[in-house]
Amino acid sequence: DVKVTQSSRYLVKRTGEKVFLECVQDMDHENMFWYRQDPGLGLRLIYFSYDVKMKEKGDIPEGYSVSREKKERFSLILESASTNQTSMYLCASSYTQGVRLGEAFFGQGTRLTVV
Amino acid sequence: EDKVVQSPLSLVVHEGDTVTLNCSYEVTNFRSLLWYKQEKKAPTFLFMLTSSGIEKKSGRLSSILDKKELFSILNITATQTGDSAVYLCAVVDYKLSFGAGTTVTVRA
Repeated sequence: DVKVTQSSRYLVKRTGEKVFLECVQDMDHENMFWYRQDPGLGLRLIYFSYDVKMKEKGDIPEGYSVSREKKERFSLILESASTNQTSMYLCASSYTQGVRLGEAFFGQGTRLTVV
Repeated sequence: EDKVVQSPLSLVVHEGDTVTLNCSYEVTNFRSLLWYKQEKKAPTFLFMLTSSGIEKKSGRLSSILDKKELFSILNITATQTGDSAVYLCAVVDYKLSFGAGTTVTVRA
């Protein structure tokens, strides 16, 4: 079974802090994604990566950066946390070929509160 | 910009009713459409659709894709309280884009 693991379930940080959210997958997937989920807005794509050291902006990248130094690990960085970044953050990874192309597997989510 | 629109945003039904959820999309280079179910945790995969007109079924759930009209529907028959969840539609081109979701509440 595919496993996508996020480092924290719940996190409380102060405004202005630098925040790291870590995600690890064990299925050798090329693609990895970071989303935030807010009520009524669905999952909005922040950044994604299709290979080591490669990254692409999603729909809402402002205030975030990412790092992918190893294939299995994709980190989301909030450079200076703000209260409007309080949200549920979901990491996902997916196949890039074969009959399951595009099927994404999700981590359990990190609920981040910025105070 | 890629767009995935789900409707309705929410609905309330009684056990035994049939539910139809809609998903329309506009993407540059369509590869597949996915449906997920989300309860109080991470989304779980339901279906992947790549070809028009071929229905996918799993128990009381079924889904079909129309690539000409750019939409998909998800049907749930004989609904149960355990079907209460947010149903998410996602489209794959070079990335994975989600709609806002449909919240389904099934009352006993």
